[in-house]
Amino acid sequence: DSGVTQTPKHLITATGQRVTLRCSPRSGDLSVYWYQQSLDQGLQFLIQYYNGEERAKGNILERFSAQQFPDLHSELNLSSLELGDSALYFCASSVPHRVEQFFGPGTRLTVL
Amino acid sequence: AQSVAQPEDQVNVAEGNPLTVKCTYSVSGNPYLFWYVQYPNRGLQFLLKYITGDNLVKGSYGFEAEFNKSQTSFHLKKPSALVSDSALYFCAVRDGGFQKLVFGTGTRLLVSP
Repeated sequence: DSGVTQTPKHLITATGQRVTLRCSPRSGDLSVYWYQQSLDQGLQFLIQYYNGEERAKGNILERFSAQQFPDLHSELNLSSLELGDSALYFCASSVPHRVEQFFGPGTRLTVL
Repeated sequence: AQSVAQPEDQVNVAEGNPLTVKCTYSVSGNPYLFWYVQYPNRGLQFLLKYITGDNLVKGSYGFEAEFNKSQTSFHLKKPSALVSDSALYFCAVRDGGFQKLVFGTGTRLLVSP
């Protein structure tokens, strides 16, 4: 157990809908990262937050957004969902003086 | 841009035999390299990292990795494979000044009894 928690574990929804994925980092970790794992794209970085502020953006669609709250948990919002958004979404966290990231168990999103 | 390549989609090895999972990297500057393992329906687990220092890095569960600058490789090794090592293995590199990880395509390791 990495100490990073993600909810829900599974999410099934329809095209056009909006969902919110939640992540709680390890105690003391200020950085939160979101990654998407899909069969065709592999593991891709989406976005990073550090202590409440956006730090880096990757291949994140405009339909997707994220935020990190004062208690350091983070939410990834996916809207106008398409079939191709079906994937595993991982959250990871790290502390500033360490380079390794610790991953949560992921949320499996299925868009029907 | 930083990148890693995992040339093998799958590696098959018999239990008790040594295993190697290959990774090559392309970076500007000094690389920060990582190995992660993913078991079915689980998240990625950190195995080991290379930042600087000894070229042989020891990690979790008896795994180690050898950093080779001249061959730009960071191969994952284990002296004696276990059936329970069967999983998906990812090599990753930290992307320069950013802390995001860039992952390889993954290598499925299958250890047969």
